[in-house]
Amino acid sequence: GENVEQHPSTLSVQEGDSAVIKCTYSDSASNYFPWYKQELGKRPQLIIDIRSNVGEKKDQRIAVTLNKTAKHFSLHITETQPEDSAVYFCAASQTNFGNEKLTFGTGTRLTIIP
Amino acid sequence: NAGVTQTPKFRILKIGQSMTLQCTQDMNHNYMYWYRQDPGMGLKLIYYSVGAGITDKGEVPNGYNVSRSTTEDFPLRLELAAPSQTSVYFCASSQISYEQYFGPGTRLTVT
Repeated sequence: GENVEQHPSTLSVQEGDSAVIKCTYSDSASNYFPWYKQELGKRPQLIIDIRSNVGEKKDQRIAVTLNKTAKHFSLHITETQPEDSAVYFCAASQTNFGNEKLTFGTGTRLTIIP
Repeated sequence: NAGVTQTPKFRILKIGQSMTLQCTQDMNHNYMYWYRQDPGMGLKLIYYSVGAGITDKGEVPNGYNVSRSTTEDFPLRLELAAPSQTSVYFCASSQISYEQYFGPGTRLTVT
């Protein structure tokens, strides 16, 4: 089955600086890579996702890059703000009919220092 | 739309007791999932369903059972609760090839 590794487990950055979180996956058949943000005591919520037919996707201050050859993908947050403090999870899956299971990484606790 | 709802929000069980965690979605999603999240850890898939009447095991199914008699509901049954099942349980749903929407979670303690 799929295995997703995520680094670092904790990350502290000064407000306004950039943050980068990296994930690697094992199954070359995986083609869907979402990122979820989970605030303390809350449910995970999707912030951005990327499919294997593109190499990069941006949404305002958030971007995700994908390298299928190396089997890794990264989340980039620019101009960080206090409300970016949360745990971020990457995930991978094959989006074939009947096989829509997400495998999650172990999470990165991001702390923005004012 | 209410999205994905879960009940109860909190529950304390004694070892050996049983209970059912309820999950309902009103988005007409085909896919539904149950995850557990241990403190400071990621999400582990317990069971999932691709449609009414169809369920399959995830990564950590032991000690749990599910059923899917309707599109909307996907209850998770814990039999003979053990301390190792202390966790936060999240239900989620999705349409094929789209994002998973999570419920608010059920915090379960087994003592």
